[in-house]
Amino acid sequence: EAGVVQSPRYKIIEKKQPVAFWCNPISGHNTLYWYRQNLGQGPELLIRYENEEAVDDSQLPKDRFSAERLKGVDSTLKIQPAELGDSAVYLCASSPSPPGRETQYFGPGTRLLVL
Amino acid sequence: DAKTTQPNSMESNEEEPVHLPCNHSTISGTDYIHWYRQLPSQGPEYVIHGLTSNVNNRMASLAIAEDRKSSTLILHRATLRDAAVYYCILGLGGSQGNLIFGKGTKLSVKP
Repeated sequence: EAGVVQSPRYKIIEKKQPVAFWCNPISGHNTLYWYRQNLGQGPELLIRYENEEAVDDSQLPKDRFSAERLKGVDSTLKIQPAELGDSAVYLCASSPSPPGRETQYFGPGTRLLVL
Repeated sequence: DAKTTQPNSMESNEEEPVHLPCNHSTISGTDYIHWYRQLPSQGPEYVIHGLTSNVNNRMASLAIAEDRKSSTLILHRATLRDAAVYYCILGLGGSQGNLIFGKGTKLSVKP
C-alpha cells in the first residue's frame, strides 16, 4: 500500500513569491492534516480536513496561507506571499477517521527555504 | 489540549533496553496515549498507543501507570536505527481535538 505522497520534496524561493505544496493521502483516508515543523520543534497543526471540509483551521495564518481539498482526496497548501519566517518543513498526514484514537500516517514532508 | 512532559534527550547503548518516560498529569479519562518517532529527514511515524492497559507490538511496549499520569515507552533492544526524536502525545478519545506534538525526546544510540 502506498503511503502519503508529497511534492515537491524541496523548494527554494525568494520572499514575496508564492509557493504551493501538494499531498496525496492514503487511499480511503477521510481525514487529512497539514502540519508545519520548525527546526528543533515538533510538528504544529495548520489545518485538518474531514473529507472536503476544513473542520479545524484555527492555526492557519489566513492572511497568506490557503488550503483546499478537492473531492475529498488530494490537497494543496499555498503560501502567498512567502516570508522569511515561513522556512520550515511542511508535513501532510492522513488517517482513516477523526483524531484521538486513530493512527496518523505522515508523508516525508516538503522542506521550504525562503531567501 | 492536555500536555505531556518528556526529557529533552537520552542516550542508550546498542542492543540494550531503553525506557523513555512521559508525564501527563492532566490526562482525562478518554485521552489515549500515543507515541510517534521521527527519524532524521523523515515525517513522524506511529510507534504505539494505549488507553489503560499495557500494550505490546513489534516495535515497542507501552507501560501505563495505574493512575495514567505517566507512561513509559520501552524499546527492548535498541539498534542504531532507533536513533530518533520520540514524541509522547495525548489524543482525545472522541472526534474532538488533535494530536499536539511537544519537542519530544531525542534518543541517541551508541554502538
